[in-house]
Amino acid sequence: QKEVEQNSGPLSVPEGAIASLNCTYSDRGSQSFFWYRQYSGKSPELIMFIYSNGDKEDGRFTAQLNKASQYVSLLIRDSQPSDSATYLCAVIFTSGSRLTFGEGTQLTVNP
Amino acid sequence: GAVVSQHPSWVICKSGTSVKIECRSLDFQATTMFWYRQFPKQSLMLMATSNEGSKATYEQGVEKDKFLINHASLTLSTLTVTSAHPEDSSFYICSARPAKAGRTDTQYFGPGTRLTVL
Repeated sequence: QKEVEQNSGPLSVPEGAIASLNCTYSDRGSQSFFWYRQYSGKSPELIMFIYSNGDKEDGRFTAQLNKASQYVSLLIRDSQPSDSATYLCAVIFTSGSRLTFGEGTQLTVNP
Repeated sequence: GAVVSQHPSWVICKSGTSVKIECRSLDFQATTMFWYRQFPKQSLMLMATSNEGSKATYEQGVEKDKFLINHASLTLSTLTVTSAHPEDSSFYICSARPAKAGRTDTQYFGPGTRLTVL
């Protein structure tokens, strides 16, 4: 079983729609969760981090965390073609300080 | 804020030569920096964790004598790929974690260095 698992996609949504990206993790004691965006040929860019159960909103992005279900998601409202990228979920497990990444979900927003 | 730079952004070298990549945190101090490698269409693979003033911790399978890491100051870490071979061609990315009070586990990534070994 992978430690951090994401829908591999690709995920395709029309412009203006809500894109929903999901991530599950294996370490129940994890406390820190991150979403990064990576454009093709570029390095990851931090979008959001979340530590507490519930929702955290930042502009068009909402991160949702459910520690009981070991599930974290990212919603992108009013998706734009510029949102087309690979989205990486990352978790810091209780055993250390390193980020453990999922394989990423490739998102395409169609004009 | 939280800007990380890397130099060079790309490099082409001959097989057998060594290449040094610099990673700098421009507007914050970083006690810990991380080095990743990413092959096409794959996720990031952590190579090593570097703490200022101490030896780097390498991930399993990463040769510490081949990938030399130095973290001499709170704003600079270097990765030297020694005796590079074509299979070392990859996208090398560093990240830095700010040294400040409170939650300090967020990592900010540099723009990456694309290495091609001929």
